[in-house]
Amino acid sequence: EAGVAQSPRYKIIEKRQSVAFWCNPISGHATLYWYQQILGQGPKLLIQFQNNGVVDDSQLPKDRFSAERLKGVDSTLKIQPAKLEDSAVYLCASSLGRSGRAISYEQYFGPGTRLTVT
Amino acid sequence: ILNVEQSPQSLHVQEGDSTNFTCSFPSSNFYALHWYRWETAKSPEALFVMTLNGDEKKKGRISATLNTKEGYSYLYIKGSQPEDSATYLCASNNAGNMLTFGGGTRLMVKP
Repeated sequence: EAGVAQSPRYKIIEKRQSVAFWCNPISGHATLYWYQQILGQGPKLLIQFQNNGVVDDSQLPKDRFSAERLKGVDSTLKIQPAKLEDSAVYLCASSLGRSGRAISYEQYFGPGTRLTVT
Repeated sequence: ILNVEQSPQSLHVQEGDSTNFTCSFPSSNFYALHWYRWETAKSPEALFVMTLNGDEKKKGRISATLNTKEGYSYLYIKGSQPEDSATYLCASNNAGNMLTFGGGTRLMVKP
């Protein structure tokens, strides 16, 4: 079974530039998550999709961050314009998210995109 | 939003030492506790998902326990090896599938 794919793996941009990250979840996984992991901290949920609808985006800085999940499969996360404090690893994860068992909520992560804003 | 805490933040041990880390989480509305292992430049890898108070799970030299009444979980590594070097993350979710992560424990095992 193929895992969660993310690209690019690394990105360096200057502040005020724009950047986009791409995620392809595990086939058949209805739920997709984007996390931001700043150095020394745990991953923080930015947005959660169920199929192509947004379930939770309460921690997404909507003035500069946007995300979409076209056709309920792939997803893109965009930052425009980037700030220095956006330097982090951006992780994408997916889960089945369909039944009541804890194991079905287990999230499978991609390798992340390490963003450096200079 | 849940507040999940992990300690210690980092740990240096010698090869062969056994070690353990702590994860504390709010016990109200608890649903499941997850442990992940995250090696540099790789994807976080799920180790355990635990739901029942008193639950104990084991995978090779790694084991975990869960106390949902007092809100803590321990992760143990017996006879640490250099390949165990990684960041160990715990995450809690309450009656839903949103995970709240702790800050992680970074383990370095010296040969």
